[in-house]
Amino acid sequence: AQTVTQSQPEMSVQEAETVTLSCTYDTSESDYYLFWYKQPPSRQMILVIRQEAYKQQNATENRFSVNFQKAAKSFSLKISDSQLGDAAMYFCAYKGGTYKYIFGTGTRLKVLA
Amino acid sequence: ETGVTQTPRHLVMGMTNKKSLKCEQHLGHNAMYWYKQSAKKPLELMFVYNFKEQTENNSVPSRFSPECPNSSHLFLHLHTLQPEDSALYLCASSQEWNRAYEQYFGPGTRLTVT
Repeated sequence: AQTVTQSQPEMSVQEAETVTLSCTYDTSESDYYLFWYKQPPSRQMILVIRQEAYKQQNATENRFSVNFQKAAKSFSLKISDSQLGDAAMYFCAYKGGTYKYIFGTGTRLKVLA
Repeated sequence: ETGVTQTPRHLVMGMTNKKSLKCEQHLGHNAMYWYKQSAKKPLELMFVYNFKEQTENNSVPSRFSPECPNSSHLFLHLHTLQPEDSALYLCASSQEWNRAYEQYFGPGTRLTVT
């Protein structure tokens, strides 16, 4: 069975600085998708970025980028120029050959002014 | 109106009560999901509906009963719950269930069982 591990329950970053959130996963599949979702306090969870496993190029979305290491089964999220609005829970998720999304336990990101 | 709405936002119920959670999506999606979110645990997928048909019951106790009358509406009927069922219940939808489409989440219902 696939698993997703986020080993950092909480992270802090100074405003305008860069922070990296870690995610590792375990799977025997070769074709899958990886996602980072953001859940702001008392607000809806939204997609931040997604990565197709067959693509070697790391996905980027404005200030958000990933470091996808397929062999190491690692999928970290880098947030550049952190803003106060980036404070949220961040969930790493995996989706393979079934319809199921498998989520990690989340990392709470605090942004310090 | 946001894409996925859920009502009520907060619910307190006793163990002998019967209540229902409602989810509605305005995105024209074909798949809808119920998740349970507890502190320090991964999101737990409970049920999946595709074109109104239930495709998965992820070993959920029978005190949770889903209903999907059409592709836009999803209910979760609750009865004789336990205190450990207290959690945030999230509804989500996606264009299709069997492809890697983005899931759109509702704001959740914060459930407290007393």
